[in-house]
Amino acid sequence: ETGVTQTPRHLVMGMTNKKSLKCEQHLGHNAMYWYKQSAKKPLELMFVYSLEERVENNSVPSRFSPECPNSSHLFLHLHTLQPEDSALYLCASSQGLLEDRNEKLFFGSGTQLSVL
Amino acid sequence: GNSVTQMEGPVTLSEEAFLTINCTYTATGYPSLFWYVQYPGEGLQLLLKATKADDKGSNKGFEATYRKETTSFHLEKGSVQVSDSAVYFCARNYGGSQGNLIFGKGTKLSVKP
Repeated sequence: ETGVTQTPRHLVMGMTNKKSLKCEQHLGHNAMYWYKQSAKKPLELMFVYSLEERVENNSVPSRFSPECPNSSHLFLHLHTLQPEDSALYLCASSQGLLEDRNEKLFFGSGTQLSVL
Repeated sequence: GNSVTQMEGPVTLSEEAFLTINCTYTATGYPSLFWYVQYPGEGLQLLLKATKADDKGSNKGFEATYRKETTSFHLEKGSVQVSDSAVYFCARNYGGSQGNLIFGKGTKLSVKP
């Protein structure tokens, strides 16, 4: 148990559906992240929030919409996804942003998303 | 540019064999370097790290030394166990004000009894 909880663990959705992924951290951290893990590709950073403000958005398509209502919760809202969006979506948190040499990420177990 | 390259997997070893997973990085400046491990069905966990040249990170019998001259951070373990079967990711931090780690593609290790 890393202190970062993601739900659901598995999600199957059609291209016209709207769904949301949820992440909750119980570590008192100030920064939260969404990563996309696809087979045979490096982890891709999607979004970074620090103190509930978005600090980075790596050119992610608008069909992915993050929301950070407070420092403990992070959502990823999904709509009109494509089959190539099928992947493991990982949430992570850290005490502060990663420019500090001693910072590290704590990951959740991920949501395995399949888009049909 | 800034990138991390690690050896392609999968790597299959017998129990008690010696493990090396190579990792090299390109960078400006002196990043911190990390190895993360992902056990089946779980998220990534930090395995070890090193924050400056010649530092050696170690944990659970794994070691990696930050080599500035070869820009490498190879992961080693003298005697692997079946429970070490997982995917191993080398990573470096990006630096600056951006909250990011740059990860390699991951190397899958399977240890057979």
